[in-house]
Amino acid sequence: DTGVSQNPRHKITKRGQNVTFRCDPISEHNRLYWYRQTLGQGPEFLTYFQNEAQLEKSRLLSDRFSAERPKGSFSTLEIQRTEQGDSAMYLCASSSWGNPGLYSSYEQYFGPGTRLTVT
Amino acid sequence: RKEVEQDPGPFNVPEGATVAFNCTYSNSASQSFFWYRQDCRKEPKLLMSVYSSGNEDGRFTAQLNRASQYISLLIRDSKLSDSATYLCVVNFPTYNTDKLIFGTGTRLQVFP
Repeated sequence: DTGVSQNPRHKITKRGQNVTFRCDPISEHNRLYWYRQTLGQGPEFLTYFQNEAQLEKSRLLSDRFSAERPKGSFSTLEIQRTEQGDSAMYLCASSSWGNPGLYSSYEQYFGPGTRLTVT
Repeated sequence: RKEVEQDPGPFNVPEGATVAFNCTYSNSASQSFFWYRQDCRKEPKLLMSVYSSGNEDGRFTAQLNRASQYISLLIRDSKLSDSATYLCVVNFPTYNTDKLIFGTGTRLQVFP
């Protein structure tokens, strides 16, 4: 499967614990995005990487959230001291922009998401 | 005003019906527009990009009106398998990124 993959698919944790999610984008994509989606809402932008550089963070991303993409390939999203309000689906998407020889597009392709439940 | 606004529905239509969804966006600098489809508890999947001249893909037609900052999606000859939530998506250019902003989605239920 050459699409976007995310692990784990489901995570149940107790309030106050730390959790980490992983996203592997489509291999030739240089842009990677994290979104959060709650029931009845569209995905909300959290943060975005171009290669290894984190270029934008939403104000939704509190100090308890951190994301990395150390080698410009996979990315991790960590939530420290989880709260019940963090319960949501965390989606990762990737796209290709400015890669030599590749078509640039704003079209983003999503992974299956990690569903987080904080009890 | 919300950045991207959609009627949440639900739209309940019989098989074979034609249904239209509308969406408005607030940032006049937006340049890219999309419709995504999302099935229950699944990830959004790109349905189609929306071009200035309007575009069609089989039973689906998308239109863009930049002057009114309005996007539409028309589905003809609805199938049971079209039942899903349809997300209107617009890019919001800032000085260093082009993030996508999603509407809350319009739910479509096609019944036999």
